[in-house]
Formats: sequence, structure tokens, C-alpha cells
Amino acid sequence: NAGVTQTPKFQVLKTGQSMTLQCAQDMNHNSMYWYRQDPGMGLRLIYYSASEGTTDKGEVPNGYNVSRLNKREFSLRLESAAPSQTSVYFCASRPPGTSYEQYFGPGTRLTVT
Amino acid sequence: QKEVEQNSGPLSVPEGAIASLNCTYSDRVSQSFFWYRQYSGKSPELIMSIYSNGDKEDGRFTAQLNKASQYVSLLIRDSQPSDSATYLCAVNGGSNYKLTFGKGTLLTVNP
Repeated sequence: NAGVTQTPKFQVLKTGQSMTLQCAQDMNHNSMYWYRQDPGMGLRLIYYSASEGTTDKGEVPNGYNVSRLNKREFSLRLESAAPSQTSVYFCASRPPGTSYEQYFGPGTRLTVT
Repeated sequence: QKEVEQNSGPLSVPEGAIASLNCTYSDRVSQSFFWYRQYSGKSPELIMSIYSNGDKEDGRFTAQLNKASQYVSLLIRDSQPSDSATYLCAVNGGSNYKLTFGKGTLLTVNP
């Protein structure tokens, strides 16, 4: 099992450019999550998908869109990147059932200039 | 807004000492509590979960939960330099499966 994988690992964008961050898990997990982590701010939830076909906003959704492509994949799109979106982005997934545990991917470090 | 507060740190302890990391939470209905370890430049790694009042031990790690005081802690016995990392407290409550994270405490274990 590869667990949770994310691509790319690093990305530099110019203001106004768009990009999609990819996340996939091979653990048959139902729920998937996108977080951003900024110095001094901790992990903040951007969007989540409780199950295939559903997505919901988290704490900081503005400027982002998501797609739950299938059970394995959950992508995060920045339509028009802004310097405020410079951050480290983590994808996580949760096992089926009543467990609340989440398992994280390796992260994508994004810089917007 | 659910809040999770951690002692701001950084926390520095000598090798072999006990490191104590603390966390308080605001939502009284919270049911599940987690500690994640995050090495610099890496992703958070789940190291402990606790659901009931009292202590839960796993090797050198002990998680302690007091729901009446809305307090959860992590003790690391015989601290090693390899324990140097940021420790994140996470709390879930109610019927959804989201986690609220604290901002983390940076622990440094000095040889």
C-alpha cells in the first residue's frame, strides 16, 4: 500500500495562474480532506469529502474548488492563484466506519509569486 | 467555533527526561482525541488516540484525558533526540468526521 499520495511535491506559480493538486489513496477509505498549513496557524481544513460524490466546505474554502473524482482520488484546484495561497497543502483520508483517525499524504509545497 | 489550544512552546528537555505536552479544547461534546507528530518538512503522523477518561500507554508515550476539565496531554518518557518534532493535538466532536487541530508545540530533546 502506498497510503496517501500527493502530486506535485513542489510548485511555483505566478499570481493568476491556475493549477490542480492531486491526491489519491489506496486504503479503501471513504472520507478525504484537504488542509493547508501556514506558520503559526496550524492545520486548517479547506474542503472535505465524506464519501464518493459529496464535498463540503471547511474552515477556509475561498479561492479553492475540489473534485471527488472517484473513491480513490480527491483533487484541489486553485483557479486564480494569489500570494496568500502560498502554503503547504496536505491531503488526508479516514478509514470506513466510526473511526475518526486521519492519515496524511506527504504534502505539496506551493509558492505563489 | 471549536477551539483547540496547546502550550505554545517551544519546549526543550534533556535526553532521558519526561516531556509533557498539553492541550485544552472548547467543545464539551468532543469524543475523540489524537496526538500527531510532525517532523520538520514532513507530514503529520498519528501516534496516539484516546477516547475515554484516564491514561493510555503505548511504549514511551502516555496520553491522558480529562473530559471534565476538557484537557488532554501527552507524556513522553525517556525522551530521545529523535522525539524532537512538533506535536499536534486534534479533537473531533459531534456527528461529523472533521478534526480540529491545535497549532502545535515544538519539542526539542537535547543530547
